[in-house]
Amino acid sequence: NAGVTQTPKFRVLKTGQSMTLLCAQDMNHEYMYWYRQDPGMGLRLIHYSVGEGTTAKGEVPDGYNVSRLKKQNFLLGLESAAPSQTSVYFCASSKPDRSLGSNQPQHFGDGTRLSIL
Amino acid sequence: LAKTTQPISMDSYEGQEVNITCSHNNIATNDYITWYQQFPSQGPRFIIQGYKTKVTNEVASLFIPADRKSSTLSLPRVSLSDTAVYYCLGGKAAGNKLTFGGGTRVLVKP
Repeated sequence: NAGVTQTPKFRVLKTGQSMTLLCAQDMNHEYMYWYRQDPGMGLRLIHYSVGEGTTAKGEVPDGYNVSRLKKQNFLLGLESAAPSQTSVYFCASSKPDRSLGSNQPQHFGDGTRLSIL
Repeated sequence: LAKTTQPISMDSYEGQEVNITCSHNNIATNDYITWYQQFPSQGPRFIIQGYKTKVTNEVASLFIPADRKSSTLSLPRVSLSDTAVYYCLGGKAAGNKLTFGGGTRVLVKP
C-alpha cells in the first residue's frame, strides 16, 4: 500500500546544478501537486496538475518546472538550483475536484529534503 | 479562499482533550473547513472536514457554529503520539488547490 512515493528522500546540490524530483502515486488519482515547506512554515504550492499532460502554476512557481507525462508520475525540476530553494518538497495527489467547496483529501508523500550550497 | 487564523502553539497532557479553534471570518457560502495533521519529517495527513454543526470520525470531532466564522477541532484524550502540527484550511480554489497557513503546534506532555 505505497500511496505517494517520493524519490530521492535527501539530496545536496551545489548552486547552479540541476535535478529532478520524482513523485509516483498508485491510487489512480487525477490531480497531483508539488509543495515546498520551509522551516516552521506551512506548505506553499509550487505547481499542480489536474490530469495527464496538463500542468499549472501555483503560489511559488518561479525557478521550477514540472511535467506530467504519465498519470501516475509528477516530476519537479530545478534547472539551476539556488540556495533559496533549500527546503522540504512534498508531493500530493487527490481525486478530481468536487463541484462545491468541499476538498477532496490530498494524500502526501514523506517529502524530499533538498539542501543547496 | 478563506483566510484562517489559528493559535501558533498549544501544550497539553496525556489523557486531556485538546481543542484548537480556527477563525475564518470571510468564509464563502460553499466553503468547507478541512483539517490536516503533520508529524515531523512526514507529509500532512487529512483528519476531518465539515460544513456546519458537528462532524465526528475515529480521530477527531469538528464543531462549526451556525455563523461558520470559526471552527474547533477537538482531539479527545490525547496521547504523546498526537504531538504534531495541525492545519486549518478554509475552502479551495479550482483544481482542489489548498492554502496552508502556519498551523498550530500541539505538544502533548507526559
